Amino acid sequence: QSALTQPASVSGSPGQSITISCTGTSSDVGSYNLVSWYQQHPGEAPKLMLYEVSKRPSGVSNRFSGSKSGNTASLTISGLQAEDEADYYCCSYVDPSTMIFGGGTKLTVL
Amino acid sequence: QLQLQESGPGLVKPSETLSLTCTVSGGSIYPNEYYWGWIRQPPGKGLEWLGSIFYSGSTSYNPSLKSRVTVSVDTSKNQFSLRLSSVTAADTAVYYCARRDPHYKYYFDNWGQGTLVTVSS
Repeated sequence: QSALTQPASVSGSPGQSITISCTGTSSDVGSYNLVSWYQQHPGEAPKLMLYEVSKRPSGVSNRFSGSKSGNTASLTISGLQAEDEADYYCCSYVDPSTMIFGGGTKLTVL
Repeated sequence: QLQLQESGPGLVKPSETLSLTCTVSGGSIYPNEYYWGWIRQPPGKGLEWLGSIFYSGSTSYNPSLKSRVTVSVDTSKNQFSLRLSSVTAADTAVYYCARRDPHYKYYFDNWGQGTLVTVSS
């Protein structure tokens, strides 16, 4: 299993929108709508932001949205805020019954 | 409110076995339909899923670590545990326990705070 591919870093100014990609293969991202996204601030545990590609848990801002096309899933954050600055990780189901994370993307709010 | 707390030695010698326990409070492992998992993060690096377990004892493991990883559950203590054998410096990481969804959607919705385990002689 190789980690899903994410850009090492992305940046944006407050109020702008950014998109983080997560590229896998036809064995993981491409075959299942079971991609989740996690936000991690320094020194803290990861926090679930999206699951099943685009579903938001209760309490997560609707500024966070997700999509998938082929073997690539994407996380979009609109109306960037300073508090969004964090590391973001995607995760996908892989048959049978296993999971794989992306390498992580550092989001900088300029 | 569900809380997960990792515990165990913060220092393990090379070639020995790393053992951690996750205590669940504010909810019961049995007979709920949730799965429970372990994820680790080496310093400055990304997340790696290690394995998951159901209260019945059914497990799944990361294929790259399968020969060294064992996850077990003790429903009487509301705990689940991780054992990683033959550790090396590469196993130095923050180890997180987490709750996975009950409906085979494969996401972790509750995480422990994490515990740093250093492998060194």
